[in-house]
Amino acid sequence: EAEVAQSPRYKITEKSQAVAFWCDPISGHATLYWYRQILGQGPELLVQFQDESVVDDSQLPKDRFSAERLKGVDSTLKIQPAELGDSAMYLCASSPRAGGGAPADTQYFGPGTRLTVL
Amino acid sequence: SQKIEQNSEALNIQEGKTATLTCNYTNYSPAYLQWYRQDPGRGPVFLLLIRENEKEKRKERLKVTFDTTLKQSLFHITASQPADSATYLCALGGGGNKLTFGTGTQLKVEL
Repeated sequence: EAEVAQSPRYKITEKSQAVAFWCDPISGHATLYWYRQILGQGPELLVQFQDESVVDDSQLPKDRFSAERLKGVDSTLKIQPAELGDSAMYLCASSPRAGGGAPADTQYFGPGTRLTVL
Repeated sequence: SQKIEQNSEALNIQEGKTATLTCNYTNYSPAYLQWYRQDPGRGPVFLLLIRENEKEKRKERLKVTFDTTLKQSLFHITASQPADSATYLCALGGGGNKLTFGTGTQLKVEL
């Protein structure tokens, strides 16, 4: 069964350093999401892509966070500089294109990247 | 502002019993509601989706109800097993397939 891939699984960094996370969605999925999940809370959407275009980045702290999906396939989320409060699980999810047969409103999550900022 | 409430305290039940989890929301009119399961250190896994015009959905031992008047969804696991122990998240869906998640309820099924 196809899965969303993420790397690295774990990342430890010092504050003020730059970090990057990578996500490869399920093949053919048009929509890609990046979420942040703080321990004990639910995932919070950071950015949503439809193919290579950003459709929602209203909750992305744009002074330090950036995301791209240049060819509409895999995606990178970057934090520069990292702050202590950025320690969290960063989850990537994807969903199929509408009208393609599979429900477009079901999201498939990757295993996440656990970030610790010291 | 929009608010989604799930039981913050863990739910402990005995094996074989029915587990019932609650999701309440305010200031929101979702087009659909989803339930996800999340194991420690893993990403959420989709379980069930119910739309605003549906009252109940079933899948094997799982049942979801959706009351848009009460602004509440109930999630039931019948004949619960220790393997059902996990955190269960409800998520409200709106335009553009955007999901807003609750904080989740931890379920522990004991032998």
